[in-house]
Amino acid sequence: ETGVTQTPRHLVMGMTNKKSLKCEQHLGHNAMYWYKQSAKKPLELMFVYNFKEQTENNSVPSRFSPECPNSSHLFLHLHTLQPEDSALYLCASSQDRTSGRDTQYFGPGTRLTVL
Amino acid sequence: AQSVTQLGSHVSVSEGALVLLRCNYSSSVPPYLFWYVQYPNQGLQLLLKYTSAATLVKGINGFEAEFKKSETSFHLTKPSAHMSDAAEYFCAVSRNSGNTPLVFGKGTRLSVIA
Repeated sequence: ETGVTQTPRHLVMGMTNKKSLKCEQHLGHNAMYWYKQSAKKPLELMFVYNFKEQTENNSVPSRFSPECPNSSHLFLHLHTLQPEDSALYLCASSQDRTSGRDTQYFGPGTRLTVL
Repeated sequence: AQSVTQLGSHVSVSEGALVLLRCNYSSSVPPYLFWYVQYPNQGLQLLLKYTSAATLVKGINGFEAEFKKSETSFHLTKPSAHMSDAAEYFCAVSRNSGNTPLVFGKGTRLSVIA
C-alpha cells in the first residue's frame, strides 16, 4: 500500500453504537489530521497530531475521540453520535505540522451515516 | 485570520473550452496557496501550490494558477477542458507561521459537457 489509506470506506451506525475509523500513512510523515467534509460546507479541521502529540482540537464534541499510537497510524473513535455527524471523514498527513508550505496528502475518506 | 473565497459553487464548460476557477484569499502575511482536486468517492489530491517562488505555478493535468498579490487572487486555469477534469476543486491558504491551519474554500464543482 502506498499513500494514505482509510478503513472502512463506508460505515453505517446507530446513535448508540461505538465504532472506530482507522487511518494509516505510508509516506514517513510526522503530522496527521482528521477533517470532516459535509455537504455545502468547507472542510473542517477536527484534530491535528504532530510527532504523535495532539496539537489541535478545534472544539470538536467529546463524542469524537482521536488516538495516535505512532506517526503512521491515526484513529477516530466514535460513540453516541448524532445524525448531523453524518459526513465524509478524511484523514491526511504531511511531513511537518509547523511548515505551512507542506503538502497534505489525503486518504479516500470514510463515508459515515448515522441513523 | 486567513480565509478563502471561491466564486461560483458550480462551473460548467464545454469539452475543449477554457477552464477558469476563481479563488480570492485574505491573509495578513504572505500566504502559501494550494489547489486541490477531489474526484467522486476519493480524497483530495494536490494540483499545484504557490510557496513564494514563481508567481505562475504549473501543476498536474495541464492546470496552472497565477498568484496576483495586487488582486489577492490565485485563479486556476486550463486551456482546454477534458471530460476527465469533471471534479470538485478546492482552493486553500496557509502561511509559514508554526501550526497554521490549512484553510479551505467551499469548493467549485466543475462539469464538462461533451
